[in-house]
Order: sequence, then structure tokens, then C-alpha cells
Amino acid sequence: AQKVTQAQTEISVVEKEDVTLDCVYETRDTTYYLFWYKQPPSGELVFLIRRNSFDEQNEISGRYSWNFQKSTSSFNFTITASQVVDSAVYFCALILNAGGTSYGKLTFGQGTILTVHP
Amino acid sequence: EAGVAQSPRYKIIEKRQSVAFWCNPISGHATLYWYQQILGQGPKLLIQFQNNGVVDDSQLPKDRFSAERLKGVDSTLKIQPAKLEDSAVYLCASSSVGTQYFGPGTRLTVL
Repeated sequence: AQKVTQAQTEISVVEKEDVTLDCVYETRDTTYYLFWYKQPPSGELVFLIRRNSFDEQNEISGRYSWNFQKSTSSFNFTITASQVVDSAVYFCALILNAGGTSYGKLTFGQGTILTVHP
Repeated sequence: EAGVAQSPRYKIIEKRQSVAFWCNPISGHATLYWYQQILGQGPKLLIQFQNNGVVDDSQLPKDRFSAERLKGVDSTLKIQPAKLEDSAVYLCASSSVGTQYFGPGTRLTVL
């Protein structure tokens, strides 16, 4: 069975600080995808990024960056120069690829509540 | 492109009553999911459809929950009768090649 652990329950920072959200996963499968979703107070889960298990390249998108390391089963998310609008719950998730276009369910971590103070 | 639509957004009922939620996925997405998210937790899968067939309903409490996806497009999730512990946000998601896109959810309060 798959498992995703987000050890940080809550993080509080002041605007413009950098913040890293940790994610550790467990799976015996070799083909899987990792995701980060943002859930603002409105409640909708917003897709941020997807990474497949064969691609360990780090990715940067504006103030967001992701560090994927298979050796430590980690997929960490860094926000540079945080802003108040970044305040939300962030979820890391994993899905198995059963072959072709067949995918299983998303297994979510417990989420990290990020609060950015002005 | 329109996102996943859900209704209603909020629902308050008393225990033992029935309730139904509706979801319209992104056009062309064959796979549809219903998740339950209890406050302070990550979403948990209730049921997964591929077109109009059920792929995984292992975590659906079948004595009170039911779901259908007629014609492989819209889906409804029903709870009958509701219990206090069913208070949660019910999220619908759809996907075409693995990435799931979520609707705004229905917040259910059972009194």
C-alpha cells in the first residue's frame, strides 16, 4: 500500500520569507506520479505540479520550486519570497500508473497548513 | 475550458435524512472520482468510475452510500440515511491521463 507523509502540520512565516514544505512517500511500485495541490480557504483543490517517477529533474515555476529525490523518497516544495496569498493547505499526493492510461487512486498526505503573515 | 462543476456547494441536513450531490466533469474526461474530506485530513477516495463503470469502490460504505454515472458523464453521490460522521466536504474530480482536477466541493453538515 502507498503512503504519503507530510510531517509539518502547520508552518507560519512572515511575508518574503522562503518556506519549504516536506513530503515523504512510500510505494513498492516503480511507476508512479507525485503531485502537489493547494487548497485555499475557498476549499477547492488546485493542481500545482505533477512529476513521474522516472524524472528526477527539479522544476521551477515562478516563485515555486520542487525537489524530487528518489533516493530519499522525498518530493519537497519550496516557495520563495512568500506572499499572503500563498496562505493555504498544501497536499502532497501519489498515484500509481497501472499501465497505459490506467491509473489508481490518489493517496494524499495529511496536508500542511501554511500561514503567511504580512 | 470549464472546470469540474459540483452542486450544491453547501448542505445542512439532520441525521437519518437523505442527501444527493451532483458532479459534472471536465468535457472528455473518462475517469471520475468522488472523495470525502473530513476536516483536518487529506481527501479519501470513495469511488472511481471509468466511463460509466466502477473501477474502485472498496472504501465506499455501501450500506448507506451509493453513486452512479449514467452515460459516462455526470455523476451523483447519495447518502441514505446520513450519520453525524458523514459531515465532511465531498469532492468530485475528473482526469484523462492521470492528473486529477477537482471541483469546488460540497460541504455537508449533518446535525
